[in-house]
Amino acid sequence: DAGVIQSPRHEVTEMGQEVTLRCKPISGHDYLFWYRQTMMRGLELLIYFNNNVPIDDSGMPEDRFSAKMPNASFSTLKIQPSEPRDSAVYFCASSAPGTGVNTIYFGEGSWLTVV
Amino acid sequence: AQSVAQPEDQVNVAEGNPLTVKCTYSVSGNPYLFWYVQYPNRGLQFLLKYITGDNLVKGSYGFEAEFNKSQTSFHLKKPSALVSDSALYFCAVRDPSTGRRALTFGSGTRLQVQP
Repeated sequence: DAGVIQSPRHEVTEMGQEVTLRCKPISGHDYLFWYRQTMMRGLELLIYFNNNVPIDDSGMPEDRFSAKMPNASFSTLKIQPSEPRDSAVYFCASSAPGTGVNTIYFGEGSWLTVV
Repeated sequence: AQSVAQPEDQVNVAEGNPLTVKCTYSVSGNPYLFWYVQYPNRGLQFLLKYITGDNLVKGSYGFEAEFNKSQTSFHLKKPSALVSDSALYFCAVRDPSTGRRALTFGSGTRLQVQP
């Protein structure tokens, strides 16, 4: 089975440009998470969705960041305008439905550099 | 609030020797605990989880972890380290009493296994 698929894997952009990161969760999973990894702050939860609905967006840094999940198989994380401090690895992850303790599976990440 | 502490930034061990990567947690209820591994330029891979029951949990690649409620710890162990185990290891916690589905991660511990 395919895992969580993220694109692009690497992106270098100039400050002020719009960046869109994409994610396809594992088929059948109804929870989707966006995490950010930096040396200084480690792994931080940005937002997560359940059945395409945002449940907790308290980790979204500021209004420049937005995330959407228009359907069960696709999500985007957008940064507009981008700043150098947004340089990080952005991970998408998903987990299966149900009330059990379902494992969260991560994608390979999108490496973002803002210059 | 839930939190995880990994007190060691790096652990060095010789190949063939046992290894331990430490993790302590703080939650208000009974925790769900996880270990993930990250190889260079890759996403996080699930190793094992503790939900309830036997305090010793076995996972992938020969790893195991011991849950100790009195010490609020969940240390990762392996009887005999391999050079290929060298990677970044993350402990994570979820407090089911909050209803929150996302995991909170520790800062990570870099494991270096020397030949």
